[in-house]
Amino acid sequence: QVQLQESGPGLVKPSETLSLTCTVSVGSISTYYWNWIRQPAGKGLEWIGRIYHTGDTNYNPSLKSRVTLSVDTSNNQFSLNLKSVTAADTAVYFCARESTSNGYPYYFDYWGQGILVTISS
Amino acid sequence: DIVMTQSPDSLAVSLGERATINCKSSQSVLYSSNNKNYLAWYQRKPGQPPKVLISWASSRESGVPDRFSGSGSGTDFTLTISSLQAEDVAVYYCLQYYSTPRTFGQGTRVEIK
Repeated sequence: QVQLQESGPGLVKPSETLSLTCTVSVGSISTYYWNWIRQPAGKGLEWIGRIYHTGDTNYNPSLKSRVTLSVDTSNNQFSLNLKSVTAADTAVYFCARESTSNGYPYYFDYWGQGILVTISS
Repeated sequence: DIVMTQSPDSLAVSLGERATINCKSSQSVLYSSNNKNYLAWYQRKPGQPPKVLISWASSRESGVPDRFSGSGSGTDFTLTISSLQAEDVAVYYCLQYYSTPRTFGQGTRVEIK
């Protein structure tokens, strides 16, 4: 059973950079696409972006100017950096795996438990 | 971006009764080359991550009770819970994976009447 676990600070100051890491247990980070998704309290789910083990990325255009994803295959981890954060970035952040067939990514089949990140001074 | 719109925003159903949630996409998510709809349904309970119930619009994931079913094609989809159980109280989301950015519906809250 694939397990994902988010880690990082739960409190970030406005204008600073939010940095989170997702550790994948059981199985290799290779072959699949790895995603970040967030959900502000009382709002819907927003896809942030994804990374392949090769380092190829896709970002949501709404966040692209502020987001950087990276992958560390030796430690089975991938990371999210979101710069210049504001209160609007306060949310539960999830990491998730995209199911894959013949190299094509599809829906999210495994998720981390999520981590609440609050943007406040 | 493909906009996903769910209806209703919330519904209250008696135990044992049917619950129906609709999801409409702003453009078709049916891929003509393989005749598959790139649409999934998720269930989210408080304190838990979303759990995939249905993929490819109508394919139930392993371990999901058969009271959950998905239907529809193109731009209009439905998630049906045939006989609502207490443990089904949750928020349900549709997801399109036809293109990036991946987009979700706004969610439908299901409660017990």
